[in-house]
Amino acid sequence: SQQGEEDPQALSIQEGENATMNCSYKTSINNLQWYRQNSGRGLVHLILIRSNEREKHSGRLRVTLDTSKKSSSLLITASRAADTASYFCATNDSGGSNYKLTFGKGTLLTVNP
Amino acid sequence: DAGITQSPRHKVTETGTPVTLRCHQTENHRYMYWYRQDPGHGLRLIHYSYGVKDTDKGEVSDGYSVSRSKTEDFLLTLESATSSQTSVYFCAIRTGISALGNEQFFGPGTRLTVL
Repeated sequence: SQQGEEDPQALSIQEGENATMNCSYKTSINNLQWYRQNSGRGLVHLILIRSNEREKHSGRLRVTLDTSKKSSSLLITASRAADTASYFCATNDSGGSNYKLTFGKGTLLTVNP
Repeated sequence: DAGITQSPRHKVTETGTPVTLRCHQTENHRYMYWYRQDPGHGLRLIHYSYGVKDTDKGEVSDGYSVSRSKTEDFLLTLESATSSQTSVYFCAIRTGISALGNEQFFGPGTRLTVL
C-alpha cells in the first residue's frame, strides 16, 4: 500500500519561480527521502531527512518535516528548465525494516523557460 | 546510472512466455531491490534481496520470482507473463550513504510489454 502521497500530482511554473511539493504519510517513520526522476530514467536520490530533524537544505533544495502532521515538503528555489521531472517522496517506516522504502506516486513538475 | 546495469532495456513478449530480467551491480552492495512503476501507482516493491540466496517478497510479488546466486546479480523472473505485468521495471541497490540512512540508487529501467 502507498505510504507517501504527493500533492499536487502536477505542477507547472515559470523558470525562476519556486516550486513546492508536499508529501503526506500514514505511519511513523525513521526517515523520509525525496527522489527525482527525469523522463525515461531511473530515480535519483536528492535528500534524506531523519524523523528527529525539522528542516534540511541541499543547494537549491529545502526539505521540511512535520512528524506531528505526518507531512513533508520539498521546496526548489529559483527553478530551472532542467528541474523538469517527477519528484517522489519515500518513507522508511519505523515499524518495518531499515532497508525498505515505500514510495509515493509522485509530483510531475514542469518548469517552462 | 553508474554501477547498475539492467538487461534487456526493452522487451516485447507474448502472454504465457517466461521472461527473465537481469540486474548487475559492480559495487558489492548487500541489498538489492526490484520495483515496478506504473501510471497512477508510483513505484511498488516486487522482491528484494539482503544477500546471496537471501530474498524476500515485497508488496506485489505474485507472479514473480527472484534469484541471487552471486552478490553482483539479481534476477527477476516472470514464469508466465501476463498483460498486467506490462510495466517499467527498476532495479535498485541500497547505498547507505549516511550512517543511519538507507538511500537507494536506481538502475536505468527495463520497459517490458506483454502482448
